[in-house]
Amino acid sequence: GNSVTQMEGPVTLSEEAFLTINCTYTATGYPSLFWYVQYPGEGLQLLLKATKADDKGSNKGFEATYRKETTSFHLEKGSVQVSDSAVYFCALSDLGGNNRLAFGKGNQVVVIP
Amino acid sequence: GAVVSQHPSRVICKSGTSVKIECRSLDFQATTMFWYRQFPKKSLMLMATSNEGSKATYEQGVEKDKFLINHASLTLSTLTVTSAHPEDSSFYICSAREDRAQYFGPGTRLLVL
Repeated sequence: GNSVTQMEGPVTLSEEAFLTINCTYTATGYPSLFWYVQYPGEGLQLLLKATKADDKGSNKGFEATYRKETTSFHLEKGSVQVSDSAVYFCALSDLGGNNRLAFGKGNQVVVIP
Repeated sequence: GAVVSQHPSRVICKSGTSVKIECRSLDFQATTMFWYRQFPKKSLMLMATSNEGSKATYEQGVEKDKFLINHASLTLSTLTVTSAHPEDSSFYICSAREDRAQYFGPGTRLLVL
């Protein structure tokens, strides 16, 4: 079945540092890929998406490229801010009629001033 | 655009009572909505897929008689937790599908005493 794997453990880094969160997936066919962000006490917000191979999703300085050959969708940001502290979830949508989402376990990102 | 609301944002109830949570898509119509449950520091667990005008599809292990879902219109789905018990205490999040993406509500924190 479809699944998403995110790197283990929280990520703590200093303001203006470079952020990378790894995400790999297993799926049949060509799913759409997403990154969602969850701020404390809130629901999830769509951060960016890519619907086909080699597409690059970008938003608020974050980027992720759909890599079919490595089945990856790593999230990057060149210079993080304290306000980027949140939990980040990688997800893929299945190819069924309902486009159900399969989520990774999420990564807590803490940016220190 | 693509705003989803939930009501209430927080509810405390006594064991044995029923609680209804509403999920609304504010600026788009959603034939499909999803209900998730999130445990502390955990990823989202899909509970059910709600399709307007038809019965919800529940994920394995989710009791359909305990978690009643009604999707009566293209902008509203409700989740009723019947005969709630303390183990039902959780963060419940809905989402509405538009095109290939899902847009999430802010979540409802349920505490059963």
